[in-house]
Amino acid sequence: GIQVEQSPPDLILQEGANSTLRCNFSDSVNNLQWFHQNPWGQLINLFYIPSGTKQNGRLSATTVATERYSLLYISSSQTTDSGVYFCAASGGGSQGNLIFGKGTKLSVKP
Amino acid sequence: SAVISQKPSRDICQRGTSLTIQCQVDSQVTMMFWYRQQPGQSLTLIATANQGSEATYESGFVIDKFPISRPNLTFSTLTVSNMSPEDSSIYLCSVDRVVRGEAFFGQGTRLTVV
Repeated sequence: GIQVEQSPPDLILQEGANSTLRCNFSDSVNNLQWFHQNPWGQLINLFYIPSGTKQNGRLSATTVATERYSLLYISSSQTTDSGVYFCAASGGGSQGNLIFGKGTKLSVKP
Repeated sequence: SAVISQKPSRDICQRGTSLTIQCQVDSQVTMMFWYRQQPGQSLTLIATANQGSEATYESGFVIDKFPISRPNLTFSTLTVSNMSPEDSSIYLCSVDRVVRGEAFFGQGTRLTVV
């Protein structure tokens, strides 16, 4: 099955800084999602992006399917951006094939 | 997006007991999914719950330990049976958005077994 690797595993930023999180996947995908897990454990959908580029406020994401990677950009980071960011992918069918990376733990310091 | 209500949001349980987690969706869905997230780890799929049939379990998870019910198209329960401290995890239910398979999650149940 698909393997999903995220980097870096940990990231510490000063408030206001920008960051890039990376997700590599081992095979072609038709579902690629980014999630933010807040300190209470809730998973928040950020992007559904099997290909192309999307933006939502200070966050944007790009997936280059042919090169099997996706990037999540966070600009002007805020303390509320802290948490764990997960990338998840599947090669088809239902979510039963959705494979999660190990996540990037982001800490934004005031 | 789907609205998914999961409860309880957290619980502290004695070892040897069982806990049933409920998941309610605001629209009818064919499949519902249950995940486990052990402390500091990523999410692992436990099983897929289809209405009207037995759940399909992933490798390493068995029905006796994690029985699942799916009585209708908007509701499912996951029971964690005969709990031990190793079962302390966040348990999450999830559904697909019908058109393109985008996953949405409930708020999770943080379980601590003492």
